[in-house]
Amino acid sequence: DTGVSQNPRHKITKRGQNVTFRCDPISEHNRLYWYRQTLGQGPEFLTYFQNEAQLEKSRLLSDRFSAERPKGSFSTLEIQRTEQGDSAMYLCASSQSRGRGETQYFGPGTRLLVL
Amino acid sequence: AQSVTQLDSHVSVSEGTPVLLRCNYSSSYSPSLFWYVQHPNKGLQLLLKYTSAATLVKGINGFEAEFKKSETSFHLTKPSAHMSDAAEYFCVVSLYNQGGKLIFGQGTELSVKP
Repeated sequence: DTGVSQNPRHKITKRGQNVTFRCDPISEHNRLYWYRQTLGQGPEFLTYFQNEAQLEKSRLLSDRFSAERPKGSFSTLEIQRTEQGDSAMYLCASSQSRGRGETQYFGPGTRLLVL
Repeated sequence: AQSVTQLDSHVSVSEGTPVLLRCNYSSSYSPSLFWYVQHPNKGLQLLLKYTSAATLVKGINGFEAEFKKSETSFHLTKPSAHMSDAAEYFCVVSLYNQGGKLIFGQGTELSVKP
C-alpha cells in the first residue's frame, strides 16, 4: 500500500493555458474524490467517481473543468483556459465504499499557481 | 443542509498543557464525523472518526473526541500538547447518502509554545 499519489506536486502556469493533474488512488479503492483548497480555507468538494462513473459534480466545477477516471483506476483533472482564481491546492482522496464511516485517504495535493 | 463550524480559527497552547479544539455540526440525520490534521506541506491525515458507536472516540497521537448529540458538538482534546502537534486541524462531516463526500470546517491552526 503506497498511499494516494498525485502528480505534479507543483504547477505554475500562465493565465489562459490548460493544465492537467493526475491522481493514483490506493489500488483496491473504488471511490475517488477531488477537492480544492484555497489559502486559509478547508477543502471543498469538486467531484467524485465510483469506479469509472462520475457520480456528482459540485457547482464549483465550471465548464472549464473536466475529470476522468478511465477503467476505474487513476484519475485526471483538467482545467482549460486557466484563470488566476484557479490558483489553489487540488487534493485527491480515495476510499472503499462501505456506507457510514468510510475513510477517505488523501494524497499530498497539487499546488497550482496561475500567473 | 449539513455543515461544520470550527469555533476558533487559531489556538495557542504551551507544551505539556491540554488542547481543546471546538467543533459544532449541523446535520439532518446522525452524522459520521472526522478530525483530520494537516501539517505544512503534507497531506491530510485522519486523526479519528465517529460513526455511531462509542461517543468517546480515541485517535492517533493521544487525541480523542466526544460526540455530544444534545450539543451538536464534536470537540477534539489532548491531555498534553507536544511541539509536533502544531498543525492545521479540520473537523469534517461525511454525507454518506451522497457518496460519502466530505464537508470540511474552516480549520483551526494550533500553535504550541515551548
